[in-house]
Amino acid sequence: ETGVTQSPTHLIKTRGQQVTLRCSSQSGHNTVSWYQQALGQGPQFIFQYYREEENGRGNFPPRFSGLQFPNYSSELNVNALELDDSALYLCASSLAGSVWTGELFFGEGSRLTVL
Amino acid sequence: DAKTTQPNSMESNEEEPVHLPCNHSTISGTDYIHWYRQLPSQGPEYVIHGLTSNVNNRMASLAIAEDRKSSTLILHRATLRDAAVYYCILRGTQGGSEKLVFGKGTKLTVNP
Repeated sequence: ETGVTQSPTHLIKTRGQQVTLRCSSQSGHNTVSWYQQALGQGPQFIFQYYREEENGRGNFPPRFSGLQFPNYSSELNVNALELDDSALYLCASSLAGSVWTGELFFGEGSRLTVL
Repeated sequence: DAKTTQPNSMESNEEEPVHLPCNHSTISGTDYIHWYRQLPSQGPEYVIHGLTSNVNNRMASLAIAEDRKSSTLILHRATLRDAAVYYCILRGTQGGSEKLVFGKGTKLTVNP
C-alpha cells in the first residue's frame, strides 16, 4: 500500500478519442511523474510535475499533457488516441529532491485499451 | 540519453543468493542508480539506490562498479515473494529537470 491511487483502473477508448487519467499522490508529496508501460516492456517516463509546473519530459508528443493541482493530485491527458497508446499508465509521487534521497511511490496503474 | 541494459530473465532457487546485473555505460556523473521491482498487476516498488558507494538495506545490497558503468543488485536469500521483474533505473537532472530512464527489466523466477 503506497498511498497513491489511480483512476480508472481500466478503460476502453476508440482511436481518435481523448482520455483523462487521474492520480492522487501520497500525502505530503509535491512531485508526481507519469509513465507508460506497454505489455512486456519497462515503464517509459512521460513527464514530471513539481508544484504545478512540468519540470521534466520524456520522448512523448505534445498530445500527452498533464496537470498538477494545488492539492498535488494530477491528471494525464492524451488527445487523438492511437492504437499504440494502449498500455498501463502509472503515476508515482515523491518529494522534490528524491532523485537524491530515494523513493518513488507508484500507484497500481490505469490500463488503457484503444480500439 | 543514458540507458540501461539488463538480462531478460534469471532463475534462482529459494534461499540462495541472486545477483542481478545492469550495464549503464553512458551514465553521467550526476545520475543515481535506482532499482525497483514489479510484481504482477502491481506498480513498481522501490528496492534500493546509490551513487558511487555500495549500499545495503533490509531488502538488498547494491554493488556499484568503480567506473559506475555497471551495477549489481544482490538479494542475499531469495524467497518466492522475490519473484518479480527487476528494473535498473538511472535518475538524474538535466538542465534543472529530472529525467528517468528505465531498462527493460529482468524477470526473476525463484524455484522452491
